[in-house]
Amino acid sequence: NAGVTQTPKFRVLKTGQSMTLLCAQDMNHEYMYWYRQDPGMGLRLIHYSVGEGTTAKGEVPDGYNVSRLKKQNFLLGLESAAPSQTSVYFCASSYLREGTDTQYFGPGTRLTVL
Amino acid sequence: AQSVAQPEDQVNVAEGNPLTVKCTYSVSGNPYLFWYVQYPNRGLQFLLKYITGDNLVKGSYGFEAEFNKSQTSFHLKKPSALVSDSALYFCAVGSARQLTFGSGTQLTVLP
Repeated sequence: NAGVTQTPKFRVLKTGQSMTLLCAQDMNHEYMYWYRQDPGMGLRLIHYSVGEGTTAKGEVPDGYNVSRLKKQNFLLGLESAAPSQTSVYFCASSYLREGTDTQYFGPGTRLTVL
Repeated sequence: AQSVAQPEDQVNVAEGNPLTVKCTYSVSGNPYLFWYVQYPNRGLQFLLKYITGDNLVKGSYGFEAEFNKSQTSFHLKKPSALVSDSALYFCAVGSARQLTFGSGTQLTVLP
């Protein structure tokens, strides 16, 4: 039981490049989330999904897109990376809806945009 | 809008002493309250949560937290700190619609 895994662990991009971060969970959770963590700001929700084929915007969605084609996977895309997107990105999942249930986090992806 | 405040960016405590990490919250309706811990270069790990019932919640690694409705607080405590408790601690408040994290408190336990 691997829990929540994220690929890749580190990535460096140049401004304007695109990339996709992959999150996978093996706990059969309905809810999945993408957060970014910046110093002194805690975690901020980018997008989330309440089930296969559904996505919704979080607190800071601009510049990101997501897809949930399979229940176990949640992809985060950056179409044209900007230096402001330099951050640590965490994926999480939960069985019940987001505010009421324990969330399980992946190890994170450290992204640097030059 | 709901919010969480962790008033201390940094807490230092000597090993063996009791520790407290403070958290206050604001939310409409009954709160769901969580504590998570983050070790260096790792994701967040769940410590404990309050949904309803007893105001004193016991969690992992000997941690506990006390829910105080009148003071809208949910402080994290441990009777005897260990060096291995040194980490970044996040308080979070949830409702049916969202989970909001505080900015985090860096706990350092000195040997």
